Amino acid sequence: QKEVEQNSGPLSVPEGAIASLNCTYSDRGSQSFFWYRQYSGKSPELIMFIYSNGDKEDGRFTAQLNKASQYVSLLIRDSQPSDSATYLCAVHSGNTPLVFGKGTRLSVIA
Amino acid sequence: GAVVSQHPSWVICKSGTSVKIECRSLDFQATTMFWYRQFPKQSLMLMATSNEGSKATYEQGVEKDKFLINHASLTLSTLTVTSAHPEDSSFYICSASRPTSGSGEQFFGPGTRLTVL
Repeated sequence: QKEVEQNSGPLSVPEGAIASLNCTYSDRGSQSFFWYRQYSGKSPELIMFIYSNGDKEDGRFTAQLNKASQYVSLLIRDSQPSDSATYLCAVHSGNTPLVFGKGTRLSVIA
Repeated sequence: GAVVSQHPSWVICKSGTSVKIECRSLDFQATTMFWYRQFPKQSLMLMATSNEGSKATYEQGVEKDKFLINHASLTLSTLTVTSAHPEDSSFYICSASRPTSGSGEQFFGPGTRLTVL
């Protein structure tokens, strides 16, 4: 059973701080890793994805991947109240659907 | 690119009726589409994987006779909730993947909120 684990939160950070969201996965054969954001009542939207070990930056977002530790994280710099949402980690391996974590609820306090 | 639409965005129906939800990939051909259900404050639950021209693959515990999926073309998949009951009220979301994307990236539609009275 392929599993993706996330802390459900809520994770509360003050406006302007760095929010750090973490995810672990069970399948060592996983090849690509995604972070989606889901606002309440809306469908998920892709923030970014990462394939290789290390960091990948896109604007205020940085994804970090450590395949040896089976760990992927998302850092949000200069957090804004509009970043308050549930963040879903998803993992892909082989010819199967993405496996989603249950999500971490982030609350950015103004 | 990679836009997925769903129709309707919301629907209210009486218990016992059937409801059809459409999922379309607007600017790409999607060989595979996925249907999810999400109850309030709960996580996404994959219901089935739909491949164009073949039968859908349903996840364990999902009744294939109740949730009929038809992937008739490379841009359209439909989910029909047959004989809907109040417990079927949920947020139904489809997603699609591009055949050229080996990453498994899925693009989500905006979702359909179903309320069964």
